[in-house]
Amino acid sequence: AQTVTQSQPEMSVQEAETVTLSCTYDTSESDYYLFWYKQPPSRQMILVIRQEAYKQQNATENRFSVNFQKAAKSFSLKISDSQLGDAAMYFCAYRGPQGGSEKLVFGKGTKLTVNP
Amino acid sequence: NAGVTQTPKFQVLKTGQSMTLQCAQDMNHNSMYWYRQDPGMGLRLIYYSASEGTTDKGEVPNGYNVSRLNKREFSLRLESAAPSQTSVYFCASSEEGLAGGVRDTQYFGPGTRLTVL
Repeated sequence: AQTVTQSQPEMSVQEAETVTLSCTYDTSESDYYLFWYKQPPSRQMILVIRQEAYKQQNATENRFSVNFQKAAKSFSLKISDSQLGDAAMYFCAYRGPQGGSEKLVFGKGTKLTVNP
Repeated sequence: NAGVTQTPKFQVLKTGQSMTLQCAQDMNHNSMYWYRQDPGMGLRLIYYSASEGTTDKGEVPNGYNVSRLNKREFSLRLESAAPSQTSVYFCASSEEGLAGGVRDTQYFGPGTRLTVL
């Protein structure tokens, strides 16, 4: 079964600085999808960024980017120019290939604190 | 366009009581999902529905039943609530259905906080 591991239960960063959240996963598939979701105190799950495993180029969304290392099964999230509104729980999630299971497998999350 | 909506937002039950959590989406998505989130855990899949008329068990289905009423609505029922079912419940939807395709992103509702005493 696929598993997703987030080894940092908590992280903190100074406003305007850069922080990287780690995620590793285990799968025997070659084609799959990876996601980062943000959960602020409101509890809403918000998609931050997604990566397709067959794409070598790392995904980027404004201040958010990933470092996808397929051989190492690593999918880290980099937040640049951190803002107070970035404070939240961040969840890494894995989804298998098209035509297979649509289920998302989540890591346990990393709580990010942004200090002014 | 409200996205995914859930009712109620909060609920307190006594052990043995039953209730139904409602979920609706207005994005014309084929697939819908129910997750639970417990402290210190990520989300775990309870049930999902790949299309209207189909449902499948996820990782933690025991104690729950679901109904895919139509394409828009997917309800989760607790027949006899237990304290172990105290959790936050999320509904999600995605466009992918039985036909597959590159429409894999799941969109989540705001969650229901359920407490079973």
